[in-house]
Amino acid sequence: ETGVTQSPTHLIKTRGQQVTLRCSSQSGHNTVSWYQQALGQGPQFIFQYYREEENGRGNFPPRFSGLQFPNYSSELNVNALELDDSALYLCASRNGGVGSTSPLHFGNGTRLTVT
Amino acid sequence: EDQVTQSPEALRLQEGESSSLNCSYTVSGLRGLFWYRQDPGKGPEFLFTLYSAGEEKEKERLKATLTKKESFLHITAPKPEDSATYLCAVQASNTGKLIFGQGTTLQVKP
Repeated sequence: ETGVTQSPTHLIKTRGQQVTLRCSSQSGHNTVSWYQQALGQGPQFIFQYYREEENGRGNFPPRFSGLQFPNYSSELNVNALELDDSALYLCASRNGGVGSTSPLHFGNGTRLTVT
Repeated sequence: EDQVTQSPEALRLQEGESSSLNCSYTVSGLRGLFWYRQDPGKGPEFLFTLYSAGEEKEKERLKATLTKKESFLHITAPKPEDSATYLCAVQASNTGKLIFGQGTTLQVKP
């Protein structure tokens, strides 16, 4: 069973640029979520995708957007990067619909540094 | 507002010295409370899900319990390999999102 994989592992961008982060869900999982984890803090929910549609969004501006593909892989796009966007971005997947309580399985994240 | 608070922020134990980590929460309609372990540079690793007050779950040296306002993660006779950050999260009714606490960083010295 393949777990959640994310790419790239590390990324350095300049303020104002755009970035795309990628995620492959765990085999058999149809729901994917993205979280932002600042240093020393717990992860914060960005949004969730189920059947290629966003259903649930945290307190993040519209410049954070995403996609889920038919094979359940996913992308997180961030436009107009700001210094405060520097963080570990975690992708997580689970099986089940919107309210499923099956465990979320996380990837090892992409460390984004904005200079 | 749904909220999770973990204490202490950091905990240092000697190998074999048992202790407990606390997770206090307020949530509108608890669907589940989750415990995760996170090693440096890695993503969170799932440990337990608890669904209702009074429920307990165990795995090796770890035991998680749940009341209506808080959860405890008891660590019995810890070993250095138990050193990690332990995260607690709640899932509210009709949503898929998890609300995390800030974590407790545990260091176990040999």
